[in-house]
Amino acid sequence: GENVEQHPSTLSVQEGDSAVIKCTYSDSASNYFPWYKQELGKRPQLIIDIRSNVGEKKDQRIAVTLNKTAKHFSLHITETQPEDSAVYFCAATPSGDKLIFGTGTRLQVFP
Amino acid sequence: DVKVTQSSRYLVKRTGEKVFLECVQDMDHENMFWYRQDPGLGLRLIYFSYDVKMKEKGDIPEGYSVSREKKERFSLILESASTNQTSMYLCASSLKVSGQGGYTFGSGTRLTVV
Repeated sequence: GENVEQHPSTLSVQEGDSAVIKCTYSDSASNYFPWYKQELGKRPQLIIDIRSNVGEKKDQRIAVTLNKTAKHFSLHITETQPEDSAVYFCAATPSGDKLIFGTGTRLQVFP
Repeated sequence: DVKVTQSSRYLVKRTGEKVFLECVQDMDHENMFWYRQDPGLGLRLIYFSYDVKMKEKGDIPEGYSVSREKKERFSLILESASTNQTSMYLCASSLKVSGQGGYTFGSGTRLTVV
């Protein structure tokens, strides 16, 4: 079955700097890679996703890149703001199968 | 507009008690999931259901069971609660089992077993 590893477990950045979170997956059949953000005391929410036929996707200050050959994908947040502080989860799944989540990254953005 | 509702935000139960965690969704989703969230371990899947009366084990089903008698409701049952089941429990639903389009999570139930 699929296994997803996520690094780092914690990340602290200065406001305005960039943040990068990396995930690797094991199942070459995985073809869908979402990212979820969980603010303190709140539910996880989907913020961006990418499918295996795309190498990069952007949405304002966030972007996700996918390297199918190396089986890793990354979340990039530019111009970080205090409201970006949260736990971020990556996930992966083969078509038609359930999501497998990474262990999460706690991002702290200091003003 | 709350779409996935978990019946309790906080619960305290005694060791050995039978515990029911309820989850209701109003989006007519086929797929529903129960996860537990522990620091450093992420979101681990306990059980999921892709249709009424259907269930599949996830990665950590031991000590748990589930019930899905109606499409909108998915219950997690701890047959005999133990202290190592103290955790945050999250319910989710989705249109597709793979989550394309997103999983919608409930607010979570923080269960403490004493």
